[in-house]
Amino acid sequence: NAGVMQNPRHLVRRRGQEARLRCSPMKGHSHVYWYRQLPEEGLKFMVYLQKENIIDESGMPKERFSAEFPKEGPSILRIQQVVRGDSAAYFCASSPLTGDTEAFFGQGTRLTVV
Amino acid sequence: QQQVKQSPQSLIVQKGGISIINCAYENTAFDYFPWYQQFPGKGPALLIAIRPDVSEKKEGRFTISFNKSAKQFSLHIMDSQPGDSATYFCAAGISGGYQKVTFGTGTKLQVIP
Repeated sequence: NAGVMQNPRHLVRRRGQEARLRCSPMKGHSHVYWYRQLPEEGLKFMVYLQKENIIDESGMPKERFSAEFPKEGPSILRIQQVVRGDSAAYFCASSPLTGDTEAFFGQGTRLTVV
Repeated sequence: QQQVKQSPQSLIVQKGGISIINCAYENTAFDYFPWYQQFPGKGPALLIAIRPDVSEKKEGRFTISFNKSAKQFSLHIMDSQPGDSATYFCAAGISGGYQKVTFGTGTKLQVIP
């Protein structure tokens, strides 16, 4: 899963600041998924994107969170006006196709809100 | 209905022993059941996956057993090794769609020498 690159690996933000998390999918992959992992919990689906399209954002909080996957460049998960409850590990996964093809996970970005 | 329940939360097994982790689901639309292994500071990595058309799948020391009528599936790690110490997540999804899966809460496995 080293092929999916996430940065930064660790991010510290003060309450009220913005957090930008980046995900570069594996080469040849055009589908990106974002998951959030709270301490001692499993990963929870947030959003699924294809190039320039949000396909499924059913797991995204209604406010302050947004995601994009532009034609060029990495996918971005943006959290505005962060609060302490946003502290978590955010994982990105990518896949080349829909359906039965495995999605590969990156190493995650650990966001700490102080 | 979207939940996947996983137990135990933690597990200590002696080297050479069998590690068993159990999961149960409610949504009968799920037809893809992967298991992920996660080491500290790393992302989850797919370990093995099963579909409901088979009741068991084995890959090396790892075996998934699947009981469709009970809506349960389990992971068995035979001859457990210290290098297997990690957190294991079961998950469930719907094949033919995209890779959106619902994860269990995880089992932290420690294999002691």
